[in-house]
Formats: sequence, structure tokens, C-alpha cells
Amino acid sequence: AQTVTQSQPEMSVQEAETVTLSCTYDTSESDYYLFWYKQPPSRQMILVIRQEAYKQQNATENRFSVNFQKAAKSFSLKISDSQLGDAAMYFCAYRSARETSGSRLTFGEGTQLTVNP
Amino acid sequence: KAGVTQTPRYLIKTRGQQVTLSCSPISGHRSVSWYQQTPGQGLQFLFEYFSETQRNKGNFPGRFSGRQFSNSRSEMNVSTLELGDSALYLCASSLAGLSNQPQHFGDGTRLSIL
Repeated sequence: AQTVTQSQPEMSVQEAETVTLSCTYDTSESDYYLFWYKQPPSRQMILVIRQEAYKQQNATENRFSVNFQKAAKSFSLKISDSQLGDAAMYFCAYRSARETSGSRLTFGEGTQLTVNP
Repeated sequence: KAGVTQTPRYLIKTRGQQVTLSCSPISGHRSVSWYQQTPGQGLQFLFEYFSETQRNKGNFPGRFSGRQFSNSRSEMNVSTLELGDSALYLCASSLAGLSNQPQHFGDGTRLSIL
């Protein structure tokens, strides 16, 4: 079974600064997807960024980028130029590429990010 | 395009009762997954439905069940409610539940058990 671990329950950053959220995972599979989701107080889970394991290039989405280290099973999220609207709970998630696994996501414990003005 | 709609937003029940939660996926989406979110256990996968069939199931007792209708709307039912069932229940939909297709989440139903 796959597991996802986020070792930072809480992080804080100053507005306009950069912050990195950590995530490690454990799997015996070679093909999978990794995600970062954001959950603001409104409760809706919003996809921030995703990474395909077969791609060596790190994914980027505007101010969000990842550092994917497949051998180390590490998947960190970097938020540049942090904004007040980035404050939320961030979840790292794993999804197998096996069709029998369907849409099942395995989530980490979450990191609560505070952005200070 | 309307997003994933979950009803009701809030629900209060007492121990021993049963409850039904509803999820309407994005139009055209045929896969619906359910998750339970609690402070202690985090986000846990309940089950996934695709084309009216349960395709995947998490490690929850038989009191938790679900179904999907021909229009892809899904319901989950919890019988004989326990205090520990208090949680945010999230539903997510995707086109066909394939691994390369993104999932879209609803706002969740907050269930409180008294």
C-alpha cells in the first residue's frame, strides 16, 4: 500500500517571500501521479499542480513549482511571491497509474500554511 | 459549467440514525469518488463509482455504502451512525476515472453526530 507523509503540520511565510512544503511517499510502483491540493476555509479541494512520475522535468504552474526526486520519493512544493490568498491547508496526494486503482487518491496529513502581511 | 455539487452542506444527526449524502458531478463526468476527512485520520478514500458500478473501495465498515445513478449522480449512505462518523465528506468527479484525468472536488457535506 502507498503512503504519503507531510512532516510539517504548520508553516508560515511573509507575503512576497518563498516557501517550500515537503512531502515524501512510499510506493513499489514505477508509474504514478503526484498532486498538491489546496484547501482553503471554504473547504473545496483545489488542484494546485500535478506531476507524472515518468516525466523527469519538474512541473510548474505560475508561482507554484515542484521538486520531484523520484529515487528519494520526495515531492516538495515551492510557492514563490507568496500572496495572502495562498493561505490554506495544503495536501500532497498520490495516485497510481494502474487502471485497477481508478481515481483513488492517497493523501498526506496536510500542512497549514499561514501568510503574514 | 457547474462544478461538483454536494448536498446538504451541513447535517446534524444522532447516534444510531442513518444518513444519505448526495453528489452531482460535473456534467459529462462518469466517475465519482467519496472521501472522509477528519482531524484525526485526515483524508481517507471511501469508494469510487463509475457507470453505476462500484469500482474501488476503501477500508471502511459495511455501514458505509453508496450507489450511482444513470445520470452519474451518486449518493452515499451511512447507517447506525456513530460519534466517530462526524466528518467532512468530500466527493470528487472525473470524466472516466482514468489515472491521467484530473478530479474536481465539491465543497463537502459537514456531518455532525450528537
